[in-house]
Amino acid sequence: GAVVSQHPSWVICKSGTSVKIECRSLDFQATTMFWYRQFPKQSLMLMATSNEGSKATYEQGVEKDKFLINHASLTLSTLTVTSAHPEDSSFYICSAPGGNTDTQYFGPGTRLTVL
Amino acid sequence: SQQGEEDPQALSIQEGENATMNCSYKTSINNLQWYRQNSGRGLVHLILIRSNEREKHSGRLRVTLDTSKKSSSLLITASRAADTASYFCATSKGGAQKLVFGQGTRLTINP
Repeated sequence: GAVVSQHPSWVICKSGTSVKIECRSLDFQATTMFWYRQFPKQSLMLMATSNEGSKATYEQGVEKDKFLINHASLTLSTLTVTSAHPEDSSFYICSAPGGNTDTQYFGPGTRLTVL
Repeated sequence: SQQGEEDPQALSIQEGENATMNCSYKTSINNLQWYRQNSGRGLVHLILIRSNEREKHSGRLRVTLDTSKKSSSLLITASRAADTASYFCATSKGGAQKLVFGQGTRLTINP
């Protein structure tokens, strides 16, 4: 089956630094990828839609200048959390649609802790 | 914003019993999907039911969909300890591929 990977699986950083998270589709191409954020014991909240070759589409309330998304190729999307603060600490998960547009494949997630 | 609500928020049962989780949503949908998430992990797709379907089975899973009530249920029969996880429903609308997730049910199966 289709596999989506994320790197790193966890990261700890100091407040004010920037952190980059990678999302890769390993055995299929994805012109679209989705980024979600999940706080402890809560559900997934869609942050943005990453589009290969064009700008990302952000959900209401998500700061595009803080969460930079770059869809560099058909297999890679990156999310950069700029000037991270403790309130940005969360579990970030990406997904990509499979060949059947109803199917989504999720990455294993990246746990970000900002000190 | 999340449009789905699930109940119960938490469910604890004995191994071998059946577990039922419910999900409600607010707008029209193309399909509804159920996912499982083990603690601190990514999501695993369980089953998808389309808006014109009423019931679907996959192994020990049974999903129903009532579009008139805008609700769905997930039944896990003969539960196992390995079924312990959080379960989320998710809906998609129109031609959009993005998913809107429910709040989830934390299921604990006691051995």
